[in-house]
Amino acid sequence: EVQLVESGGGLVQPGGSLRLSCSASGFDFSGYGMHWVRQAPGKGLEYVSAITGDGGRIFYADSAKGRFTISRDNSQNTLFLEMRSLRPEDTAIYYCAWGYSYGFDYWGQGTLVTVSS
Amino acid sequence: QSALTQPASVSGSPGQSITISCTGTSSDVGTYNYVSWYQQHPGKAPKLMIYDVSRRPSGVSYRFSGSKSGYTASLTISGLQAEDEADYYCSSFTTSSLYVFGAGTKVTVL
Repeated sequence: EVQLVESGGGLVQPGGSLRLSCSASGFDFSGYGMHWVRQAPGKGLEYVSAITGDGGRIFYADSAKGRFTISRDNSQNTLFLEMRSLRPEDTAIYYCAWGYSYGFDYWGQGTLVTVSS
Repeated sequence: QSALTQPASVSGSPGQSITISCTGTSSDVGTYNYVSWYQQHPGKAPKLMIYDVSRRPSGVSYRFSGSKSGYTASLTISGLQAEDEADYYCSSFTTSSLYVFGAGTKVTVL
């Protein structure tokens, strides 16, 4: 059974940093790309970042470029999202997601990040 | 990358069919057959309903179907049921090797 479990969310002040983790199980983690998608309270889904299975290619949405860093540890089946210079508009539930092909077949339960003073 | 365009809301009576549209550009929907649809109930994570324009994952009801013409993809729900009431999002792979989502459509079962 595929499972994705995010952690690391919480309350952080504007300008602060946070590191999210996503622990994966039930599939060949190192063989697939992984994704981060976020959802602000009461708003729609927003694509954030992706990383290929070997970590060799990384992609960021404009909202994440220069502030967020995606990475993975294939020995621990874990995906990370390091977030710096956080802004109130980064407040959202952050989901990690995975799919066999070009859809996101599986999603974690999400971890809430709140940026507020 | 601009969001795909979806209607804010669609409604229908039980048993009816409804269709949600999703309009993109030549950078996404118009170029790739990698359109997917997600259902999200309040407080829950999204669930994949359709991928690659018209393919249904195992376990998804046959009442859900997808199609595409030009820059517009569509999700049709036939035999509408109360449990179908949810938010629906389309998504497409893009020429930037990123994904883009639509703003979401709230489906109401009357």
